[in-house]
Amino acid sequence: ETGVTQSPTHLIKTRGQQVTLRCSSQSGHNTVSWYQQALGQGPQFIFQYYREEENGRGNFPPRFSGLQFPNYSSELNVNALELDDSALYLCASSLGGGRVSTDTQYFGPGTRLTVL
Amino acid sequence: QQQVKQSPQSLIVQKGGISIINCAYENTAFDYFPWYQQFPGKGPALLIAIRPDVSEKKEGRFTISFNKSAKQFSLHIMDSQPGDSATYFCAALSSGSARQLTFGSGTQLTVLP
Repeated sequence: ETGVTQSPTHLIKTRGQQVTLRCSSQSGHNTVSWYQQALGQGPQFIFQYYREEENGRGNFPPRFSGLQFPNYSSELNVNALELDDSALYLCASSLGGGRVSTDTQYFGPGTRLTVL
Repeated sequence: QQQVKQSPQSLIVQKGGISIINCAYENTAFDYFPWYQQFPGKGPALLIAIRPDVSEKKEGRFTISFNKSAKQFSLHIMDSQPGDSATYFCAALSSGSARQLTFGSGTQLTVLP
C-alpha cells in the first residue's frame, strides 16, 4: 500500500507568478483535501475533491483552484502569487466523500512554497 | 466560524513524565476528533482519534479524554520519551458533506532526556 505523495518538495516563485502542486492519493482513496500550513500554525482547509468535483471550500480566494483526475490524483493551482502564500501545502487523502462520511485523513509530506 | 482552541503552545517534560495537551471546540457540528503528530519538515501523521460518543480511548502510551458537554478533549502521553518531541495538533472533522478538518494551533512538545 502506497502512502500519499506530493511533488515538488520545495518551490520558489516570485510574486505574481502561478504555481501548480501535485498530489497522489493513497491507494484505494477517492477523496483529496488540500490544506495550507503557515509557519508555526495549524493547517487551514483550502478545498476538497471527491470523484473529480469540488466537494467543499474553505475561506480562500478563487485564485486557489484545483483538479482531481480519474485516478484520484489531484492538483492545486495558485494564480497571482502573493507573499502571504508562502507556506507548506499539504494534501490529505481519505476514502468516501460527498454523502458518504469520511473520517481519517492521511497526509502527504507537503510542498514548501516560498514566494519572493 | 468554526474554531478549535489548543493549549499550551509549548510544553517541556522530563523523560518518563506525562504530557497533557488540551483542546476546546465551539461548534457542535463536529463528529470526529483526531490528534496528529508532526515532525519538522514532515506532514502531520495520525496519532489517535475519538468519536464524541466515547469518553476515553487509549492506544499504547496515548490516551484521548473527551468531555462532550464541556466541548473539550485532551491528549495524554504517558511515559513521555525524547522521540515524542514534536508538534501536536488536535483537530475536529465537520459532519457536513465536505468532511473538512479544523485544526488547533499546535503544541510544541519537548521531552528532555
